[in-house]
Amino acid sequence: TQLLEQSPQFLSIQEGENLTVYCNSSSVFSSLQWYRQEPGEGPVLLVTVVTGGEVKKLKRLTFQFGDARKDSSLHITAAQPGDTGLYLCAGPFKAAGNKLTFGGGTRVLVKP
Amino acid sequence: EAGVAQSPRYKIIEKRQSVAFWCNPISGHATLYWYQQILGQGPKLLIQFQNNGVVDDSQLPKDRFSAERLKGVDSTLKIQPAKLEDSAVYLCASSPLAGPGNEQFFGPGTRLTVL
Repeated sequence: TQLLEQSPQFLSIQEGENLTVYCNSSSVFSSLQWYRQEPGEGPVLLVTVVTGGEVKKLKRLTFQFGDARKDSSLHITAAQPGDTGLYLCAGPFKAAGNKLTFGGGTRVLVKP
Repeated sequence: EAGVAQSPRYKIIEKRQSVAFWCNPISGHATLYWYQQILGQGPKLLIQFQNNGVVDDSQLPKDRFSAERLKGVDSTLKIQPAKLEDSAVYLCASSPLAGPGNEQFFGPGTRLTVL
């Protein structure tokens, strides 16, 4: 059982469409991070959200942290092929000594 | 600024053989992490170093895995003997500060296939 459940596991869309991926947990997190990982590369940090209800925007990407700090979402507007990759959420899990714990990821494919 | 370097990028071995991975973190980063990423899953922390001391190795299978960070810079991760289930990408990451809320900078990983 993953501490951080990501959904969907896989998403294939056409260029120009919008998409939302979700990261859910039964535990409260002090912060959550979103990473993007491209094939053959390591994850790259996109954003860190800290405050419940917080919304952060990074160009066409909008990140939201749930009010109760148990969930987060990533919304991409007008997706482009360059958005293709594995999107991972991660957060420090208190019961595991605040070790950074990753979700299983959502694989996004944006077709031209 | 150079990123985290890892080598080799790919390795294929047979079960029961030994293998070693090398990581050179970003200059000045005191904290170094090794993660295991099995296909279709997120990375799982194996071990965390702060300078040359181990901070957390609770998820490292110590009967077969070992890691060291001599002089607080480069690090090596060794598997001896390898099992089929060790097939994964091994990621090294570094951070200027300790603490999971801080940004970690990842290397490209070493893809290990155990036959």
